[in-house]
Amino acid sequence: DIVVTQTPLSLSVTPGQPASISCKSTQSLLKSDGKTSLYWYLQKPGQAPQLLIYELSRRFSGVPDRFSGSGSGTDFTLKISRVEAEDVGVYYCTQHIQAPYTFGQGTKLEIK
Amino acid sequence: EVELVESGGGLVQPGGSLRVSCAASGFTFSDFWMHWVRQAPGKGLEWVSHIKPDGTITNYADSVKGRFTISRDNAKNTLFLQMNSLRAEDTAVYYCLRGGLGAFDYWGQGTLVTVSS
Repeated sequence: DIVVTQTPLSLSVTPGQPASISCKSTQSLLKSDGKTSLYWYLQKPGQAPQLLIYELSRRFSGVPDRFSGSGSGTDFTLKISRVEAEDVGVYYCTQHIQAPYTFGQGTKLEIK
Repeated sequence: EVELVESGGGLVQPGGSLRVSCAASGFTFSDFWMHWVRQAPGKGLEWVSHIKPDGTITNYADSVKGRFTISRDNAKNTLFLQMNSLRAEDTAVYYCLRGGLGAFDYWGQGTLVTVSS
């Protein structure tokens, strides 16, 4: 199984400041069609997770452009350019290149 | 608007069975892979199972293989998860997900399954 590891596990950020979460996989997530099968989800308190970023760097419908995804192969990053209060929650990266689809442990973002 | 509504969760004794359902609306259900993902209380996310649009292919996490069965009724736009031989470690919120954009694009709100005596 592919293992996905996130760091840090928690983050406390002042509103307006940037934030960055790292995600590493034990196998390359690059598919034969050139797309990278790495996804980011946010689970806000008391809610189901919601899709933020798909295929490495594409923002899902309605996701603000302060969120961006980058990386290649086995190393990936989610960046928030200017954190807002509504961004609190737990962020998960996941690989979808092969079953079983695996999630990172989650990164809890709090506001200072 | 895509909507996924799970139901059927509840309290069940160890060794018991339960079937959870997911009613889908707002999209052509028969066009999409569907998944179940679970989240134990205070823990992270674990993919459980998925099923091909026509129901001919299914896969399971090792932790549930041989005990859980995923199925779908495309005529009724409904996804199911039959859970047998339940264990305490199966206690979790079970989410129904649509398999869009190469992964999971829409999630239901989940249904809680508690396995306890």
